[in-house]
Amino acid sequence: GAVVSQHPSWVICKSGTSVKIECRSLDFQATTMFWYRQFPKQSLMLMATSNEGSKATYEQGVEKDKFLINHASLTLSTLTVTSAHPEDSSFYICSARDRLAGKETQYFGPGTRLLVL
Amino acid sequence: TQLLEQSPQFLSIQEGENLTVYCNSSSVFSSLQWYRQEPGEGPVLLVTVVTGGEVKKLKRLTFQFGDARKDSSLHITAAQPGDTGLYLCAVWAAGNKLTFGGGTRVLVKP
Repeated sequence: GAVVSQHPSWVICKSGTSVKIECRSLDFQATTMFWYRQFPKQSLMLMATSNEGSKATYEQGVEKDKFLINHASLTLSTLTVTSAHPEDSSFYICSARDRLAGKETQYFGPGTRLLVL
Repeated sequence: TQLLEQSPQFLSIQEGENLTVYCNSSSVFSSLQWYRQEPGEGPVLLVTVVTGGEVKKLKRLTFQFGDARKDSSLHITAAQPGDTGLYLCAVWAAGNKLTFGGGTRVLVKP
């Protein structure tokens, strides 16, 4: 089956620093990738939609200057949390839509846990 | 108000018991998905239901899509500790974005 990887799986950083999370589709091309955030004991909340070669679209309430998204190729999207603060500590999950499959085919990565001290 | 309301939020049962999780909405959907997520991992797709009244079975899991395609249920028969996890229903909302319900946390005790 289709595989989506994320790197790193775990990251701890100091407040004020920036952290980059990578999301890769390993065996398919993804024109669209999605970034979700999940706080403890809560569901997944969509942060932004990343389209290859164009600007990401952000959900209401998500600061685009704080969460920078780059989707430079059909297999890679990155999320950079800039000037991270403790309240940004969360579980970040990406998903990718297979370019050749139906629009309703989306595969999820294993997630990246971010802890900001 | 969430697009998808899941109930209960938490369920703790003994191994061997049955359980049902509900996913409700006032909107009509062309399809609905169920996922299971284990701690520290991404969600894994269990099933997609597309037809009103449809029933799908996956081993001990039975999924039903409401006749009006506004709600769905997940029933687990003879639950096992390996069924422990967060169960999420999801639909494609406006803008073709996969939107999740609040989730039901299931704990099956041995």
